[in-house]
Amino acid sequence: SQQGEEDPQALSIQEGENATMNCSYKTSINNLQWYRQNSGRGLVHLILIRSNEREKHSGRLRVTLDTSKKSSSLLITASRAADTASYFCATDARTVGNEKLTFGTGTRLTIIP
Amino acid sequence: KAGVTQTPRYLIKTRGQQVTLSCSPISGHRSVSWYQQTPGQGLQFLFEYFSETQRNKGNFPGRFSGRQFSNSRSEMNVSTLELGDSALYLCASSWGDRDQETQYFGPGTRLLVL
Repeated sequence: SQQGEEDPQALSIQEGENATMNCSYKTSINNLQWYRQNSGRGLVHLILIRSNEREKHSGRLRVTLDTSKKSSSLLITASRAADTASYFCATDARTVGNEKLTFGTGTRLTIIP
Repeated sequence: KAGVTQTPRYLIKTRGQQVTLSCSPISGHRSVSWYQQTPGQGLQFLFEYFSETQRNKGNFPGRFSGRQFSNSRSEMNVSTLELGDSALYLCASSWGDRDQETQYFGPGTRLLVL
C-alpha cells in the first residue's frame, strides 16, 4: 500500500515558472526523501529531509516538512525543460522489521518550453 | 564509481514461465532492495537484502523470491509468471545503515508477460 499521496497527480507549467508538489503520509517517519524518474527509467535521489528538520535547500530545490500535518512539499524554482519527469516522495519509517522506503503515488511534471 | 546495474534491461516471457533478474549494487553497498512499478499500483516494495540475509519483505506472494550473494549482488526470481507481473522491476542499493538512507536505483528491468 502507498504511504504517501502526492498532489497534484499531474502538473504542466511554462519554462521558467516555479513548480510545487505536495506529499502527505500516514505514519511517523525518520526522514522523507524526494526522487525523480524520467520516463520509465530508474529513480534519482534529489533530497532527504530528516524528521527534525523543517526546510532544506539543494540548488533550485526547496523541500519543507511539517510533521504535525504529516506533509511535505517540493518546490522547483525557475523550471527547465529537463525537469520534465515524475516526482515521488518516499518515507522512511525504519522500525524494526520495516526497513524500507515507502513511495507515494507521484506527480507527473511537464515543463512547456 | 559505477552505478547500480540491472540485467537484462528488457524481457518477454509467457504465462507460467519463471524469470530471474539480476542487480549489481554500487561497490561497497551491502543493502539491495527490489521494487515493482506498475501504472496501477505505483512503486511497491518487494524485499530488501543486507549481507546475504533478507531483512524485510513486502506483501507479495511466495512466487516472488530473492537472494543476495557474498559480493552483494542480488537476484530476484518470479516463478509461474502471471500477466499481472508485467512491470518495471527496480533494484536499489545503499550502505545499509539504519539512519539517513539514500537509495541508488538501477535503470530497471522491464518485464512483459504474454
